[in-house]
Amino acid sequence: ETGVTQTPRHLVMGMTNKKSLKCEQHLGHNAMYWYKQSAKKPLELMFVYNFKEQTENNSVPSRFSPECPNSSHLFLHLHTLQPEDSALYLCASSQELRQGNEKLFFGSGTQLSVL
Amino acid sequence: QKEVEQDPGPLSVPEGAIVSLNCTYSNSAFQYFMWYRQYSRKGPELLMYTYSSGNKEDGRFTAQVDKSSKYISLFIRDSQPSDSATYLCAMKSGSARQLTFGSGTQLTVLP
Repeated sequence: ETGVTQTPRHLVMGMTNKKSLKCEQHLGHNAMYWYKQSAKKPLELMFVYNFKEQTENNSVPSRFSPECPNSSHLFLHLHTLQPEDSALYLCASSQELRQGNEKLFFGSGTQLSVL
Repeated sequence: QKEVEQDPGPLSVPEGAIVSLNCTYSNSAFQYFMWYRQYSRKGPELLMYTYSSGNKEDGRFTAQVDKSSKYISLFIRDSQPSDSATYLCAMKSGSARQLTFGSGTQLTVLP
């Protein structure tokens, strides 16, 4: 089993659908992240959880709703998305969130298309 | 002005060439510098990590940081087709809790 696993790998949804992205890490880490990756743009940090507590929300629209039930699992609940939300959504984990050199380990991402 | 600038490429080189990938940045507080490699349909993986200025070598890869010029580089010697990927630079200040990424350079090494 790879360190950070994301499901599904691909998702196509209509603007009125509700879906969820799942992330699981097997590295014993305590911090988990959601990033959005759009073509030719830098990775955009969306949310950060440290020891299950949300510590960052980078002005993400409320149609994205994160959930972190424990340090190993992270979800991103999606509803009423817009076509411009189509992107690769990446989950990452690190030992813990602290000021310093924590290193991120990424999953393979969910390629989301909103029709 | 973007905090981190990275030429998106694409960059194509023949097998065996020396590759130079670069990023410039504007925030003089950045202290931690990283290079991530991202293969197609995969997430980024940490390739090199450097603290402050200087060089760091790992096999065919050398990371170089010049803080006075606010410039970082990744050199790949004897490039291989398996090095074909997108390379992302990332950096962070000591007080920040998040990385700032470049937009990535797409590299193709032709056999």
